[in-house]
Amino acid sequence: GNSVTQMEGPVTLSEEAFLTINCTYTATGYPSLFWYVQYPGEGLQLLLKATKADDKGSNKGFEATYRKETTSFHLEKGSVQVSDSAVYFCALISSYSGAGSYQLTFGKGTKLSVIP
Amino acid sequence: GAGVSQSPSNKVTEKGKDVELRCDPISGHTALYWYRQSLGQGLEFLIYFQGNSAPDKSGLPSDRFSAERTGGSVSTLTIQRTQQEDSAVYLCASSLQWESNEQYFGPGTRLTVT
Repeated sequence: GNSVTQMEGPVTLSEEAFLTINCTYTATGYPSLFWYVQYPGEGLQLLLKATKADDKGSNKGFEATYRKETTSFHLEKGSVQVSDSAVYFCALISSYSGAGSYQLTFGKGTKLSVIP
Repeated sequence: GAGVSQSPSNKVTEKGKDVELRCDPISGHTALYWYRQSLGQGLEFLIYFQGNSAPDKSGLPSDRFSAERTGGSVSTLTIQRTQQEDSAVYLCASSLQWESNEQYFGPGTRLTVT
């Protein structure tokens, strides 16, 4: 079956520090990969996505590259801000049609706290 | 435009009571999904609708859980005879169609069973 493993938090960084949140996956075929973010008191928001190998998703200064050879999709940001404090979820959707190809499989989430 | 909305935002109920959770998807989205977010299990898929039909109910944790969707729009998730382990945040998402891999989530309903 499909699974997503991401680094456990919480992660605490100072403002302007470099961020990496590791994510690896196991999936049938070539899934689409996502990072979702959940700000305090809010719902899940799609942060970025990549649908095929070597694609780079980017948004709001965050980036992640789809690495088929290492089955990874690590999230990075060069300079974090206090407003980036949130829980980040790595997720995938299987590329195969039929059962499972519509459901997101999520990692456990990584809580990021950025301090001034 | 309006996003996915869910009601109520919070629900506290006594063990053994039935509850109904409502989801209003983004207008025009034909696919609708229910997920559950709990401390122990993380985010789990429950059920998905394409139009008014639910091709896959395998994610529902027990036969106490049911869901329906009417008019290709609003969906209701019903939990009968609630148990404490049902306490979680229930999230609804919608997408333009089921092949679309961008799902938009609502704010969730926090259910607490006492």
